[in-house]
Amino acid sequence: KAGVTQTPRYLIKTRGQQVTLSCSPISGHRSVSWYQQTPGQGLQFLFEYFSETQRNKGNFPGRFSGRQFSNSRSEMNVSTLELGDSALYLCASSQGGTGTNQPQHFGDGTRLSIL
Amino acid sequence: GDSVTQMEGPVTLSEEAFLTINCTYTATGYPSLFWYVQYPGEGLQLLLKATKADDKGSNKGFEATYRKETTSFHLEKGSVQVSDSAVYFCALSDRGSQGNLIFGKGTKLSVKP
Repeated sequence: KAGVTQTPRYLIKTRGQQVTLSCSPISGHRSVSWYQQTPGQGLQFLFEYFSETQRNKGNFPGRFSGRQFSNSRSEMNVSTLELGDSALYLCASSQGGTGTNQPQHFGDGTRLSIL
Repeated sequence: GDSVTQMEGPVTLSEEAFLTINCTYTATGYPSLFWYVQYPGEGLQLLLKATKADDKGSNKGFEATYRKETTSFHLEKGSVQVSDSAVYFCALSDRGSQGNLIFGKGTKLSVKP
């Protein structure tokens, strides 16, 4: 069974630009969550999508947005990039049924660097 | 709000030494608890989990027991190997906020031959 696939693996942007990251979950998984990992703040939850609807949202500004498609693939968009957005962005998927706490399976991440 | 606190590293051990990484949590509900491991240049891999009090999660020689009375989930391994060198994250997931893992800061483990 293929794991969680994130593309691209590395990305370099400049301040003010926008970026879109992609995540393909494990087949059959309907929940996709996004996390930001930085040396200073550690791993922080961005948002979670389930069946094309945002189900949970972390404490990030509106420049961070996402969506999920009918095949459960998800994209994350960051607009007006700032230097502080440099991070490893991790996507995780799970079956995500209501009332469950199934473990999340992570991709290898997209390393975003802002110049 | 919910939070996870784990011992700060780095932790350096010799091969075959005993490992303990402490983790305590604060949660209003009845969380599930997890240990994830991150190898250099990779994402996180689930190491083990426990979903209710007194559950013991185990995998690859690692163990952790869900202690509600002490709100702890300490990771242990009896004999570490060089290949165990990685960053270990303790995390919780509250049933009231599915899909949202709250992580500790991570503990970097280095095992010397």
